[in-house]
Amino acid sequence: QVQLVESGGGVVQPGRSLRLSCAASGFTFSTYGMHWVRQAPGKALEWVALIWYDGSNQYYADSVKGRFSISRDNSKNTLYLQMNSLRAEDTAVYYCARDLGYKYGHPFDYWGQGTLVTVSS
Amino acid sequence: DIQMTQSPSSLSASVGDRVTITCRASQNISTYLNWYQQKPGKAPKLLIFAASNLQSGVPSRFSGSGSGTDFTLTIDSVQREDFADYYCQQSYGAPYSFGQGAKLEI
Repeated sequence: QVQLVESGGGVVQPGRSLRLSCAASGFTFSTYGMHWVRQAPGKALEWVALIWYDGSNQYYADSVKGRFSISRDNSKNTLYLQMNSLRAEDTAVYYCARDLGYKYGHPFDYWGQGTLVTVSS
Repeated sequence: DIQMTQSPSSLSASVGDRVTITCRASQNISTYLNWYQQKPGKAPKLLIFAASNLQSGVPSRFSGSGSGTDFTLTIDSVQREDFADYYCQQSYGAPYSFGQGAKLEI
């Protein structure tokens, strides 16, 4: 069955960096686009970034552009989110999610359990 | 960027009621509209994709409609396990924005 497992969250000081990972299994990872979505405590979902199935294109929310970088290693079935220059407002649970694809209108059909990032001094 | 606005932000219902949540896009998104359910401490779950298509395994009491800028999620005969947060999301293009959410309470 499809599984997405995030890791790498934790407490980090403002201005520092953190890298999140999302290990995928149960499907052909290299044929799906992947997203990161975050949710600050008590707040709505916020889309963060998208990477195409082959890694050839990436897209970012304005709130993280220039600070965050999404990447993937299809040989390891793993998605990454490199987060630099972290701010208090980046505190959130970060989810990775699979994009079902163009044929279905790009819904996010599988999600990981989330990993909490807390930015605090 | 496309803004998504849901209404109401919260609503109360009883088991067996029919419930409707609306979502409006700031521009025409055709049917690139998805609905998710989220329970406390859990990841979101896809309910409806492409405005009106029921995701596999989702009960048929859930339905979606709309196109262009105005969309609706309907739950016929609400069950106890349906009390949760609901989000619409546009997948017309990046950034793939979500609505602010609607909390369905008993």
